[in-house]
Amino acid sequence: SQQGEEDPQALSIQEGENATMNCSYKTSINNLQWYRQNSGRGLVHLILIRSNEREKHSGRLRVTLDTSKKSSSLLITASRAADTASYFCATDAVRANSKLTFGKGITLSVRP
Amino acid sequence: DAGITQSPRYKITETGRQVTLMCHQTWSHSYMFWYRQDLGHGLRLIYYSAAADITDKGEVPDGYVVSRSKTENFPLTLESATRSQTSVYFCASSGDRGRSPLHFGNGTRLTVT
Repeated sequence: SQQGEEDPQALSIQEGENATMNCSYKTSINNLQWYRQNSGRGLVHLILIRSNEREKHSGRLRVTLDTSKKSSSLLITASRAADTASYFCATDAVRANSKLTFGKGITLSVRP
Repeated sequence: DAGITQSPRYKITETGRQVTLMCHQTWSHSYMFWYRQDLGHGLRLIYYSAAADITDKGEVPDGYVVSRSKTENFPLTLESATRSQTSVYFCASSGDRGRSPLHFGNGTRLTVT
């Protein structure tokens, strides 16, 4: 069963705009991670946020976590065509014996 | 180069045949994982391993067998392939269970005819 669910399923924006992607989950977590997948490639880790953290930054990425709402958001600022990819959230649930559970992903298209 | 490599990159096999997908990592990570990725399902965990000779089932283990005699290798075997096992298979490794990032290979696209 899917622990994390991303929203929207697909997002199309113009280069230079910001992209916001959301992830909701069902049970208590130790941490939440975001990954990117380019077409035909494996997933690449972007950022990890622990349950006791509320916000983290990495370059143009900003991740927030609201454990009371069981949700997270990934913001990509000043998007570039190279940001075109699928983005996945993954949760390390407290009772999942340290196995990450992935959502179905968000397809982001950045138009040049 | 350090990393995680999967082979083959593409595989076509017939229903009923046995096929093995290979995964090799050079980080000496303790944890290794096999996921399958299907449209509409995202990534689903098949099997994982916490160390050499320690393996455990994930969400969708039926029809698959794994072994881990060496830390760096984690092969996945489909004992008798079925069309429902047509998928993209990803191997991943991690130094510390789910509490650290996973490093993924580039996947094996398997087609069962």
